Amino acid sequence: NAGVMQNPRHLVRRRGQEARLRCSPMKGHSHVYWYRQLPEEGLKFMVYLQKENIIDESGMPKERFSAEFPKEGPSILRIQQVVRGDSAAYFCASGERPGLIQETQYFGPGTRLLVL
Amino acid sequence: ELKVEQNPLFLSMQEGKNYTIYCNYSTTSDRLYWYRQDPGKSLESLFVLLSNGAVKQEGRLMASLDTKARLSTLHITAAVHDLSATYFCAVDYAQGAQKLVFGQGTRLTINP
Repeated sequence: NAGVMQNPRHLVRRRGQEARLRCSPMKGHSHVYWYRQLPEEGLKFMVYLQKENIIDESGMPKERFSAEFPKEGPSILRIQQVVRGDSAAYFCASGERPGLIQETQYFGPGTRLLVL
Repeated sequence: ELKVEQNPLFLSMQEGKNYTIYCNYSTTSDRLYWYRQDPGKSLESLFVLLSNGAVKQEGRLMASLDTKARLSTLHITAAVHDLSATYFCAVDYAQGAQKLVFGQGTRLTINP
């Protein structure tokens, strides 16, 4: 069973460009979470999605950031007009059913975004 | 706002010694997680703690949870070099929704 997959693993963008980060959850998982990790810091929650629905986007910056999880295909985190402060590692995690008492989030390898 | 604080943030120790990492959180939660992260890598789930007094052990690592004190500990016994990593605790902020709030991480270095 393949784990959570993210691509690209590394992404370099110039200021003002767009960044698209993809996440394919583990097989059988229908819940996806995106987190951002700045250097030397812990992960910060950004958004929680189920298929075709955004459940909680309270951690998303109000501008330039958007996320989707379509019925078919991977979840996408999109950052428009990137700035240097967007440079970070972006991790996706997936879960089967968050209400399960033993539920654990499984993390992907992350996408390291560098904005020049 | 839920805050999760770990200490120490940096820990350098010798092989064979014991030590404890502490994780305090500010509001009630019913789940606490410990993760390990190696440099440049993703997070590996170590433990899920669900109830007051819960204790889980895996090899040289043991985690416990005191929900009344809002405190979890990760105890390392007879450390070995392979345990060098950054350890994060995380608390489930939104019950059942698994919106995790992470501590800052403890960077553990174990010297031969």
